[in-house]
Amino acid sequence: EPEVTQTPSHQVTQMGQEVILRCVPISNHLYFYWYRQILGQKVEFLVSFYNNEISEKSEIFDDQFSVERPDGSNFTLKIRSTKLEDSAMYFCASKGTGGNTGELFFGEGSRLTVL
Amino acid sequence: KQEVTQIPAALSVPEGENLVLNCSFTDSAIYNLQWFRQDHGKGLTSLLLIQSSQREQTSGRLNASLDKSSGRSTLYIAASQPGDSATYLCAVDSNYQLIWGAGTKLIIKP
Repeated sequence: EPEVTQTPSHQVTQMGQEVILRCVPISNHLYFYWYRQILGQKVEFLVSFYNNEISEKSEIFDDQFSVERPDGSNFTLKIRSTKLEDSAMYFCASKGTGGNTGELFFGEGSRLTVL
Repeated sequence: KQEVTQIPAALSVPEGENLVLNCSFTDSAIYNLQWFRQDHGKGLTSLLLIQSSQREQTSGRLNASLDKSSGRSTLYIAASQPGDSATYLCAVDSNYQLIWGAGTKLIIKP
């Protein structure tokens, strides 16, 4: 069964360093998302991406964050100059159909620990 | 602003029981609602998606209902098993993003 894959599963970094989290969405999907979950808190929307551009982003997704689809398969989240409060589980998701009717499929997540 | 609440926050029941998890949302203008399962420290597994025009969806021992006008959804789990132990999250698709509840942590005792 097709699935969303994320790497790395866990990354530890020092405050101020740059981090890139990678995702391979389901191959025929067109809509891509990043969500995060700080330990013990609700899952939060970060950004949605379609047709090689950001379609929606939350207040959390400030200039520190960027997303890119560098080739036909990968979808990356870059966090520049990480802060302690960036420590969280980051989830990538993809959806095949447009509008709001499609089901989102999530990856296993990348746990980021900022020291 | 859409807010999603899940009750109860935690539930522990003996194996074999039927149980109901509740999800409520403040703004009925949703596109769809999705139920997910999250094992401890793991990813988000989609269980059921209910479109705003639908009243319920079923998958195996799971049945999810949606009452959009009252802002409620329930997830019914029949004949619970220890393997059902996990956190169950509901999320509403509101304004092109999912808004999440805090989840119900379910423990099924053998």
